[in-house]
Amino acid sequence: VQLVESGGGLVQPGRSLRLSCAASGFTFDDYAMHWVRQAPGKGLEWVSGISWHSGTIDYADSVKGRFTISRDNAKNSLYLQMNSLRAEDTAFYYCAKVGADYGDYGAFDHWGQGTLVTVSS
Amino acid sequence: EIVLTQSPGTLSLSPGERATLSCRATQSVPGNYLAWYQQKPGQAPNLLIYAASNRATGIPDRFSGSGSGTDFTLTISRLEPEDFAVYYCQQHGRSVRTFGQGTKVEMK
Repeated sequence: VQLVESGGGLVQPGRSLRLSCAASGFTFDDYAMHWVRQAPGKGLEWVSGISWHSGTIDYADSVKGRFTISRDNAKNSLYLQMNSLRAEDTAFYYCAKVGADYGDYGAFDHWGQGTLVTVSS
Repeated sequence: EIVLTQSPGTLSLSPGERATLSCRATQSVPGNYLAWYQQKPGQAPNLLIYAASNRATGIPDRFSGSGSGTDFTLTISRLEPEDFAVYYCQQHGRSVRTFGQGTKVEMK
């Protein structure tokens, strides 16, 4: 299993950024996927999750209305469209795969290495 | 939203000692779907325990999880040097997931 995030970088407040997560080594469209972030030196914060068929999508209150999660099962890819970015969105963003047990409610058994998003003028 | 509170914030122990970490939820965790992760500096988190007491693949048996409802515990029976890290609990019983704030296990 390999998860590789990309798309991070420095962006000004109010602008947009799109993160991608390329998945390999497993049957991507069998599993729900999630985004988790971590501000430098801080704890983990769950951001968003999407079921295997995109029928169930959830967001943390802190990003609801600004971020959009999506997936393309044909391309084995997960995305996070981030709009109206704020300084407090500065963090490492990880994509994570749920485990095989408990369906969409599995724990996160594999993680990418993360991509850093810095929101600053 | 289920809020998870971990205690203590920091645990100072020596190799060979037993570590007991607590995670308390503001409401009952559905299915006791409570996971524990270990994170070392510069690395992504690593799943240790899921559904309160199930060890993930490749996790040594010195790591064990217990608890139900709102109170959960991660126990490391004998600390090895590589176990000094930050540990997070997470509830995976709701589609809106939440993490605890973390417990740092540091070497005394």
